Amino acid sequence: EAGVAQSPRYKIIEKRQSVAFWCNPISGHATLYWYQQILGQGPKLLIQFQNNGVVDDSQLPKDRFSAERLKGVDSTLKIQPAKLEDSAVYLCASSYETGWNTEAFFGQGTRLTVV
Amino acid sequence: AQSVTQLGSHVSVSEGALVLLRCNYSSSVPPYLFWYVQYPNQGLQLLLKYTSAATLVKGINGFEAEFKKSETSFHLTKPSAHMSDAAEYFCAVSRVGFQKLVFGTGTRLLVSP
Repeated sequence: EAGVAQSPRYKIIEKRQSVAFWCNPISGHATLYWYQQILGQGPKLLIQFQNNGVVDDSQLPKDRFSAERLKGVDSTLKIQPAKLEDSAVYLCASSYETGWNTEAFFGQGTRLTVV
Repeated sequence: AQSVTQLGSHVSVSEGALVLLRCNYSSSVPPYLFWYVQYPNQGLQLLLKYTSAATLVKGINGFEAEFKKSETSFHLTKPSAHMSDAAEYFCAVSRVGFQKLVFGTGTRLLVSP
């Protein structure tokens, strides 16, 4: 079974530029998550989708971050404009459903460096 | 609010020695607890999880963890370290299983020959 696919793996941009990350979850997984992992910290949930609807975006900085999952499959996370503090690894994860015992599988992440 | 505290950002052991990675949790409700491992340039992989079924939980690669409510702890152990265990380990807590995981800051395990 193919895992969670993310692209690009690495991205370097200047502050105030825009950037987008893409995630393709495991086939059949209805729930998709985006996490932000700053160096030296644990991952922090940014947004959770159930199919194409948002379940939780309470920690998403909505003035600059946006995410969509239009067809309930793949998803994009956008930052516009980027700040230096956005430098982090952005992890996508997916799970079959939202049940309490449904394991979430993580992709390899996109490492963003803002200079 | 739920949180986990991982004591020690780095732990060094010799190959064959006991591995002990510490995690203490804070939760106002019975928690679900998890340990994840992250190898360099890889995503997170689930090692084991506690979901109230049994206090001693066995995971992959010979790791296990014991839930101790009286100590609010969920420490990760392995009797004998292998070089391949070198990685970063994250403890996480949730109220609702795999939803809304709250991660600790991680512990980097270093294994020397």
